[in-house]
Amino acid sequence: DVKVTQSSRYLVKRTGEKVFLECVQDMDHENMFWYRQDPGLGLRLIYFSYDVKMKEKGDIPEGYSVSREKKERFSLILESASTNQTSMYLCASSQGDRAAYEQYFGPGTRLTVT
Amino acid sequence: GQQVMQIPQYQHVQEGEDFTTYCNSSTTLSNIQWYKQRPGGHPVFLIQLVKSGEVKKQKRLTFQFGEAKKNSSLHITATQTTDVGTYFCKGGSNYKLTFGKGTLLTVNP
Repeated sequence: DVKVTQSSRYLVKRTGEKVFLECVQDMDHENMFWYRQDPGLGLRLIYFSYDVKMKEKGDIPEGYSVSREKKERFSLILESASTNQTSMYLCASSQGDRAAYEQYFGPGTRLTVT
Repeated sequence: GQQVMQIPQYQHVQEGEDFTTYCNSSTTLSNIQWYKQRPGGHPVFLIQLVKSGEVKKQKRLTFQFGEAKKNSSLHITATQTTDVGTYFCKGGSNYKLTFGKGTLLTVNP
């Protein structure tokens, strides 16, 4: 079974802190994704990566950056956390053509910024 | 850009009633995928449709892809309490993927 793990299920940070969210997948997938999920807004794509050190902006990249130094690991960085970044963050991975294959999601990290 | 609209946003049914959610894209899609997210869980892949007019079934769930490949539907026959959750569609084309906002289904036992 494909497994996507995220470093924390719950995280509480203060405004202005630098926050790292880690995601690891064990199926050698080329593509990895970061989404945030908010009530009524569905899943919104922040960034995705289609190869090591390669990344593309999604629909809402402002205030976020990402890092992919190894194929299995994709990190989301909040340079200076703000209260409007309080959300559920979901990581996903997929193989091959990013639009053609199913995505496997991690359990999510619920981040609260106070 | 590509947009995928999903309706309804919410649906409450009595157990045993049928349920349908619809996805409509502003552009022609190469494929559409459906996911289910249980309360407190993460989205889980259900199925992918690729061909124009395609219909696939999984037990009580029926998935359709429109002839023009711009719309899709998920129909659940005789809902059960285990069907509770949010159902998302995801449209794909030209390396771009877009999720609908989802339909939250609640079932009254």
